[in-house]
Amino acid sequence: DTAVSQTPKYLVTQMGNDKSIKCEQNLGHDTMYWYKQDSKKFLKIMFSYNNKELIINETVPNRFSPKSPDKAHLNLHINSLELGDSAVYFCASSQEGEPTYEQYFGPGTRLTVT
Amino acid sequence: QQQVKQSPQSLIVQKGGISIINCAYENTAFDYFPWYQQFPGKGPALLIAIRPDVSEKKEGRFTISFNKSAKQFSLHIMDSQPGDSATYFCAASIETGANNLFFGTGTRLTVIP
Repeated sequence: DTAVSQTPKYLVTQMGNDKSIKCEQNLGHDTMYWYKQDSKKFLKIMFSYNNKELIINETVPNRFSPKSPDKAHLNLHINSLELGDSAVYFCASSQEGEPTYEQYFGPGTRLTVT
Repeated sequence: QQQVKQSPQSLIVQKGGISIINCAYENTAFDYFPWYQQFPGKGPALLIAIRPDVSEKKEGRFTISFNKSAKQFSLHIMDSQPGDSATYFCAASIETGANNLFFGTGTRLTVIP
């Protein structure tokens, strides 16, 4: 069974469009994250959610908005897409209190803005 | 600003050799230092992690060495294999906080048969 899944795997869209990426985890974790990996492979935290509450919001444009309908899902909405938004977006989850605090990553969504 | 610095950017090692990747950090509040392995087209996966109360942790062929005073830690891969070819990321976080991982810039390791 897939622990952290993301849809779609690939997303190609034009500048100015609005798009969403969905993430689901079946691990029962209480914290979920969104990371952005740019063309140079640099991974940067964007958001994290704990029990449906946004607990940190890094300096990302407000065109990006995370939405968590329930503990197992954290979706990423992006408005007015720009060329610089092209990247691979990873969802991850972890469980507070577990010995290793391991974050489990999804397979990623490659977003291409043309 | 880059909270965790990683080197080298790329590394080529012969099969059976030792791969060494180094990382350094500035924030002394960091208390959890994992290494993640990423294969092309996949998400990062935890390889091994260490906390600052120990200076070394070994799991199979993978060893983390940690120097708290120097604020440095490194990954050693013994008897490197072609299947180890991947991108390796060091990271750091504060476990009592949001546990957000701050990643290094990554090292692309190629193990030549």
